[in-house]
Amino acid sequence: EDKVVQSPLSLVVHEGDTVTLNCSYEVTNFRSLLWYKQEKKAPTFLFMLTSSGIEKKSGRLSSILDKKELFSILNITATQTGDSAVYLCAVNTGFQKLVFGTGTRLLVSP
Amino acid sequence: DAMVIQNPRYQVTQFGKPVTLSCSQTLNHNVMYWYQQKSSQAPKLLFHYYDKDFNNEADTPDNFQSRRPNTSFCFLDIRSPGLGDAAMYLCATSRGTGSLGSPLHFGNGTRLTVT
Repeated sequence: EDKVVQSPLSLVVHEGDTVTLNCSYEVTNFRSLLWYKQEKKAPTFLFMLTSSGIEKKSGRLSSILDKKELFSILNITATQTGDSAVYLCAVNTGFQKLVFGTGTRLLVSP
Repeated sequence: DAMVIQNPRYQVTQFGKPVTLSCSQTLNHNVMYWYQQKSSQAPKLLFHYYDKDFNNEADTPDNFQSRRPNTSFCFLDIRSPGLGDAAMYLCATSRGTGSLGSPLHFGNGTRLTVT
């Protein structure tokens, strides 16, 4: 069975801290890995990763994929209270299917 | 702005009373999905349409049905809701092209309560 595991399950940090969120996967067919941010509504797309070792960056967020070790990390530097959310990792296993992890709940305190 | 719209945001239904959730999109995407997300759990794919082709997940209960009358609209019908069906239901779309997949665009979800 395809599986995506995220760690930690939850995390509390202070504004200005740097955080690293982890996502590991075991799937029969890997196409791409995606990160989403979910506040109290729809998940919003952050990154799609397909190649190992190539960092994707958007402002204070960055992500990288290791296809050999089957994991990805999402880094957030200089965290702000607006970064508080659930961060979801998902793997595209082909045939339009995404398998999601349970997410990491991040709380950034002022 | 192009988007995915779900209605209603909150739906309350009685045990066993049929309910329909709706989703519309202005993105002109080929694929529309329905996910179920229970509290503190990962979104779970129920089914998806690639154009008019319906793809049901093997573990989706028969109680859940879907209709896609045209490119823009997709409906989730729950024929006899049980207490265990209370969840957030997320509609999503994607272009469905490319061997690497394409990102999903989600609606804001409908939170279903079953009394």
